[in-house]
Amino acid sequence: DTAVSQTPKYLVTQMGNDKSIKCEQNLGHDTMYWYKQDSKKFLKIMFSYNNKELIINETVPNRFSPKSPDKAHLNLHINSLELGDSAVYFCASSQGLVNQPQHFGDGTRLSIL
Amino acid sequence: GESVGLHLPTLSVQEGDNSIINCAYSNSASDYFIWYKQESGKGPQFIIDIRSNMDKRQGQRVTVLLNKTVKHLSLQIAATQPGDSAVYFCAENGNEKLTFGTGTRLTIIP
Repeated sequence: DTAVSQTPKYLVTQMGNDKSIKCEQNLGHDTMYWYKQDSKKFLKIMFSYNNKELIINETVPNRFSPKSPDKAHLNLHINSLELGDSAVYFCASSQGLVNQPQHFGDGTRLSIL
Repeated sequence: GESVGLHLPTLSVQEGDNSIINCAYSNSASDYFIWYKQESGKGPQFIIDIRSNMDKRQGQRVTVLLNKTVKHLSLQIAATQPGDSAVYFCAENGNEKLTFGTGTRLTIIP
């Protein structure tokens, strides 16, 4: 009964490849997010979606393309992976965009060789 | 406390003592604040939140204090236990997004 689940937990791939990370939440929330956490633990928002519509795109390269097929899912596709993309990516969800706690998944550790 | 810098601030506390983790936020228009706990290999876990119309809120063993005048937030953990070892983040809600602080690593000394 995991609230926010991401797959895979680990992703090791070569530079230049294309990969996807999936996220699902069963909390009934209408807003979902993708965050990137670097090696220094700094957590930064990448995207937010509200009712399947893109709300925030924090100057993320267009190699990153989020897709929300429905309110419970927000997947992240990354093209032409680069070394600097190595990080832990977290999915989160909340009920509404403002003044509500966000609930996080356990992350996907992406390592680029 | 949390700040922008190259190193993750660390706080070491004797088991059973109280812990105080501090955070300075930047946006005076932020009206909602959250503390998260992140254990190794896990995602950030919600601990407690506070709205800007309050200056104190208590949970189970935790208290959050908000000083809007100096844009300062603190998390107090009573009777710190080994399971409290983690990285703690404050986050402020402004412009429809959460902005996280750089985190403080809390280490419990047995």
